[in-house]
Order: sequence, then C-alpha cells, then structure tokens
Amino acid sequence: GNSVTQMEGPVTLSEEAFLTINCTYTATGYPSLFWYVQYPGEGLQLLLKATKADDKGSNKGFEATYRKETTSFHLEKGSVQVSDSAVYFCAISSSGGSYIPTFGRGTSLIVHP
Amino acid sequence: ETGVTQTPRHLVMGMTNKKSLKCEQHLGHNAMYWYKQSAKKPLELMFVYSLEERVENNSVPSRFSPECPNSSHLFLHLHTLQPEDSALYLCASSQELRGVYEQYFGPGTRLTVT
Repeated sequence: GNSVTQMEGPVTLSEEAFLTINCTYTATGYPSLFWYVQYPGEGLQLLLKATKADDKGSNKGFEATYRKETTSFHLEKGSVQVSDSAVYFCAISSSGGSYIPTFGRGTSLIVHP
Repeated sequence: ETGVTQTPRHLVMGMTNKKSLKCEQHLGHNAMYWYKQSAKKPLELMFVYSLEERVENNSVPSRFSPECPNSSHLFLHLHTLQPEDSALYLCASSQELRGVYEQYFGPGTRLTVT
C-alpha cells in the first residue's frame, strides 16, 4: 500500500529563515502529491499540489517539486513569517483517480519573531 | 455559506449520551469523509462515502455510526463513547478534477467524552 514519511517536528525557526520540510513516499504508479496546512483551531486546507514528475506546486511563497527518482516532495519557503506557524501534512493519492489519500503524520512549524 | 461546515464546533458528552455531528458541503462534491485527529497520532480515516454509498469503513467501532442522506450532508452518530474517543473530528469532501481528488476540510468538531 501507499505510505508517506515526513520529518519529525516541531521545526522551530526565526522569522525570515529558510524552511524545508522533508516528505518521501512509497506508491505504485504515478500518484498525485499534496501539501496541506492546518492552522490552530482549523481544519486542513490544501496548500499546493503536483500531479506528474518534475511538476512544481507553489502557493503563498511555498514550493514543492515532484521528484519521482527520489520519491520525494519536499516543502520549501525562502522566508517564513510568524503567520506560517501551523502543522503541515504531506499526502499522496494513487493514480487512476483514487479518492482516498494517504497522509503523513504532520510536521509542526513554529516561527518566532 | 461556502465550503465545508461542521456543527457543533465543540461538544462535551458523557459516556452514556447519544449525540450527532453534522457536516455540510456547499461545493457540489460527490465524495465525503470522516477523519479522527488525536494528539500525537496520525490522521485516521474513519468513513468514506462516494455518491452517497459507503465505500470505506476502517474498522471503526460500532459506537460510531455514519449516515449520508444526500451528497451534501454527512452525519456521525455517537453513542456510548469512551474517553479515548475524545478528539477532533474532521469532515472533508472532494470531487475529481482531471483525475485528481483534492480534499476540502471543515473546521472540525472538538469532542470531549467525560
């Protein structure tokens, strides 16, 4: 079956620091890849996605590139803000239009002023 | 109202109570999900409905009973819960777009079982 591995948190950074949250996956075929974000007291919301190899998803200054050769989808941001403090979930969805995704355990990000 | 809404946002119930959680989506999606989110644990998929038929039931105890009367509404009926059932219960919906399903989540119901 599919699986997603995310780096353990929490990740603690100062404002304007560079962020990387690692995500690797195992899956058959060509899954779609997602990053979701959960702000305190809220549900998850889609941050970005990529649906084929070498695609780059981007949103709100965050980026992630679909690397099929390393089965990775690392999340990056050049300069984090306090408002980016949240839990970030990597997820995959199997090819063929599966509507049941597999989520990672989530990585908590804490950004200090 | 837009997106996915959930009511109530907070619920405290005793172990002998019966209550229901409600989820409504205003996105025209055809799949709906219940997840359980506990501290220090991975997100747990509980139930999936596609076109109002239950297609996934991940060994969830029978004290949780889902109901999907139409494509816009999803309920989770609760009875004789245990303290370990205290968690955030998230509802989500999705629709295929060019072979990809993106999920849209509600804000969750924070459940405390006393």
